[in-house]
Amino acid sequence: GESVGLHLPTLSVQEGDNSIINCAYSNSASDYFIWYKQESGKGPQFIIDIRSNMDKRQGQRVTVLLNKTVKHLSLQIAATQPGDSAVYFCAEKKDNTGKLIFGQGTTLQVKP
Amino acid sequence: NAGVTQTPKFRVLKTGQSMTLLCAQDMNHEYMYWYRQDPGMGLRLIHYSVGEGTTAKGEVPDGYNVSRLKKQNFLLGLESAAPSQTSVYFCASSYSLTRLSNEQFFGPGTRLTVL
Repeated sequence: GESVGLHLPTLSVQEGDNSIINCAYSNSASDYFIWYKQESGKGPQFIIDIRSNMDKRQGQRVTVLLNKTVKHLSLQIAATQPGDSAVYFCAEKKDNTGKLIFGQGTTLQVKP
Repeated sequence: NAGVTQTPKFRVLKTGQSMTLLCAQDMNHEYMYWYRQDPGMGLRLIHYSVGEGTTAKGEVPDGYNVSRLKKQNFLLGLESAAPSQTSVYFCASSYSLTRLSNEQFFGPGTRLTVL
């Protein structure tokens, strides 16, 4: 069945380093892929999205890469800061209702 | 502008009891969603609504009902709570397709325990 999954449940990085969070998906029909950040005790917060016909999109300190050949999505965070510590979810949107299918999440721990 | 609010924040139920979770948004969003989040898992869609008076089933709708009588409110009901419904429930809202945005705005969540 369709699923959106992340490669690693936990990622630990040093403050100031770059972080790369990965996600594998199986549904090639999705039209958008989206990254959310969830801080402890809060609801998820939208970070960035990428349309399925794009390979790369950049935001403020974040870059999302989409490799449709191997069905792989990644989120790169530049100069990781303590405030980036959170759980990161990838999600896919596949139709016009706005419904999202979420992956299991990767916990990013930033060491000072 | 409060965004998306949820009440209550916490609730403990006994098996078989019923309750209603309330979600409200003040952003004039057309679409609203209810998700549940269990440990080690991502969010799973329970029900959603693409407009006032309309609702539809998501991935895990069994045991839940919803209503969208007013555009700004989306209610999630548990008629007979079961321990398997112990979870954190999130409500979200988003613009319609005409706004061309994929961003869903989430509430702070309701932590529900069913004994």
